[in-house]
Amino acid sequence: GNSVTQMEGPVTLSEEAFLTINCTYTATGYPSLFWYVQYPGEGLQLLLKATKADDKGSNKGFEATYRKETTSFHLEKGSVQVSDSAVYFCALGDSNYQLIWGAGTKLIIKP
Amino acid sequence: EAGVAQSPRYKIIEKRQSVAFWCNPISGHATLYWYQQILGQGPKLLIQFQNNGVVDDSQLPKDRFSAERLKGVDSTLKIQPAKLEDSAVYLCASSLDLPPLNYGYTFGSGTRLTVV
Repeated sequence: GNSVTQMEGPVTLSEEAFLTINCTYTATGYPSLFWYVQYPGEGLQLLLKATKADDKGSNKGFEATYRKETTSFHLEKGSVQVSDSAVYFCALGDSNYQLIWGAGTKLIIKP
Repeated sequence: EAGVAQSPRYKIIEKRQSVAFWCNPISGHATLYWYQQILGQGPKLLIQFQNNGVVDDSQLPKDRFSAERLKGVDSTLKIQPAKLEDSAVYLCASSLDLPPLNYGYTFGSGTRLTVV
């Protein structure tokens, strides 16, 4: 069946460091891929998405590229800020238009 | 626009008690979802409504969980009786369409349930 695997957290970085959070998936067909973010005490927010192979989603300085050959959708940011501290979820949209979620990766940015 | 409203924000109950959560989706959003998010895991879909009809409740533990969306607007999720393993955050989300165009879900802040 469909599944999403994310790197375990927490990931702790210093401000202005480069960020990569790995996400790989297993799916039949060509699912859409998403990154959601959950700030402390808030609901989940869509951060970015990609709907087909080689698409790059981007938002707020974050990027992720849909790589069909490696079944990956890694999240990257060139220079993180303290305000980026949150839990990040990778997800795929299955053929029933429902979201299959990864377990989440907690990101901690220290000043 | 106003977001998805949920209440209460926090609830602590003893096992075997009952509890209810309320969700008011964004105005005009036909589709409403309830998710369960256990600490350290991704959200798990419990039930999906389209207006006041159920689209998918295959992962809802129907022996103890129930949900309704009367009049196709706000919704309640009930647990009776609660078990320790029901401790989680219960998230409500809504979307304009079914299937949601570009998965345009909007999530509420959730209700954190602790069963002791």
